[in-house]
Amino acid sequence: EVQLLESGGGLVQPGGSLRLSCAGSGFTFSSFGMSWVRQAPRKGLEWVSSISGSGGTTYYADSVKGRFTISRDNSKNTLYLQMNSLRAEDTAVYYCAKDRYLVVTPGDWFDPWGQGTPVTVSS
Amino acid sequence: IQMTQSPSSLSASVGDRVTITCRASQSITNYLNWYQQKPGKAPKLLIYAASSLQSGVPSRFSGSESGTDFTLTISTLQPEDFATYFCQQTYSSPLTFGGGTKVEIK
Repeated sequence: EVQLLESGGGLVQPGGSLRLSCAGSGFTFSSFGMSWVRQAPRKGLEWVSSISGSGGTTYYADSVKGRFTISRDNSKNTLYLQMNSLRAEDTAVYYCAKDRYLVVTPGDWFDPWGQGTPVTVSS
Repeated sequence: IQMTQSPSSLSASVGDRVTITCRASQSITNYLNWYQQKPGKAPKLLIYAASSLQSGVPSRFSGSESGTDFTLTISTLQPEDFATYFCQQTYSSPLTFGGGTKVEIK
């Protein structure tokens, strides 16, 4: 069974940093792209970032470009999201998701998703 | 690409036929996915490529397309279908989601 388990969320002050992790199991981790999607309280879904299976290609939403860095360690079957210069508007539950393909490709889809880890940016 | 989803909420009864629409701001071919999210849970893939049913998803769910308009239909609403539904385009980056449709019990 494919499973994704996020960790690393918490309370952080504005301007601070946090690193999220997502451990994958039940599939060949390096053969699939991975993505992060967030959901602010009582709001919709916002795609944040994606990474190819090798880690060589990355994509970011404009709202996080230059502040967030996606990476992966295929030897540990783990996806990361390093979040710097955090703002109040980054407050959300962060989900990791497995892509259908090795690289982000038109026609891609996300399945499954992890259970999410909450991030609160507040002083 | 903007994804406009409607309605934002609806009330329906068990057994009803429910239709949710998502309109893309430009052509996305059939690169449109539908997800279901229950309170406090992660989204779950229902439909990919506009009309392909994900494995394990009940056949009462179906998707269709007409140009830049996409529709998710629940043929006979079941108690477990009360949830929020989101569409997603994966034609181009940034990948974007519709605003969601909350299906509530009438």
